[in-house]
Amino acid sequence: AQSVTQPDIHITVSEGASLELRCNYSYGATPYLFWYVQSPGQGLQLLLKYFSGDTLVQGIKGFEAEFKRSQSSFNLRKPSVHWSDAAEYFCAVAAARAGSYQLTFGKGTKLSVIP
Amino acid sequence: DVKVTQSSRYLVKRTGEKVFLECVQDMDHENMFWYRQDPGLGLRLIYFSYDVKMKEKGDIPEGYSVSREKKERFSLILESASTNQTSMYLCASSLRQGLKDEQYFGPGTRLTVT
Repeated sequence: AQSVTQPDIHITVSEGASLELRCNYSYGATPYLFWYVQSPGQGLQLLLKYFSGDTLVQGIKGFEAEFKRSQSSFNLRKPSVHWSDAAEYFCAVAAARAGSYQLTFGKGTKLSVIP
Repeated sequence: DVKVTQSSRYLVKRTGEKVFLECVQDMDHENMFWYRQDPGLGLRLIYFSYDVKMKEKGDIPEGYSVSREKKERFSLILESASTNQTSMYLCASSLRQGLKDEQYFGPGTRLTVT
């Protein structure tokens, strides 16, 4: 069965600093990977996704992620964090199930930003 | 823009009550999903539906049922609410059954069972 691990429960960074959120996945076939963000009191919004091709994918709000098959990782990065990036971030892997598919989410990483 | 709406943002119910959570999407999506979100546990799939009147169990279906009578509407039912069902419930939809299809999420319903 597929699984996603986000090793960091909570990360605090200063505004303007760089950011890397870690994600490791376990899936037997070619993974389809996603990063979602959840701002306080809101639903989840897709930041970016990886299906194939270039292993560095660009997303919205200045985020990017790099797929590394050898490390089973899909880490999210941003070169300079803004206070509005404070939110919870979820990594997910898609897998086929019962004629359809489902997303399996990691437990999330909460990001706090110090002004 | 795709819009997924949920009938309530906050809901307080008593133990033993029957609870309905409603979700509506306006983009003719085939798939709809119900998740619950708990601190430290992330999102866990309760049920999903890939067509009208079709449903599949997710990872934690116990204590829940669902109904999809119309394509745009997907209801989550707690037959007899219990305190351990206090949680944030998120609905999502996606266009087709492909692995690549993005899921669009509603704002969530925070349910408290007392």
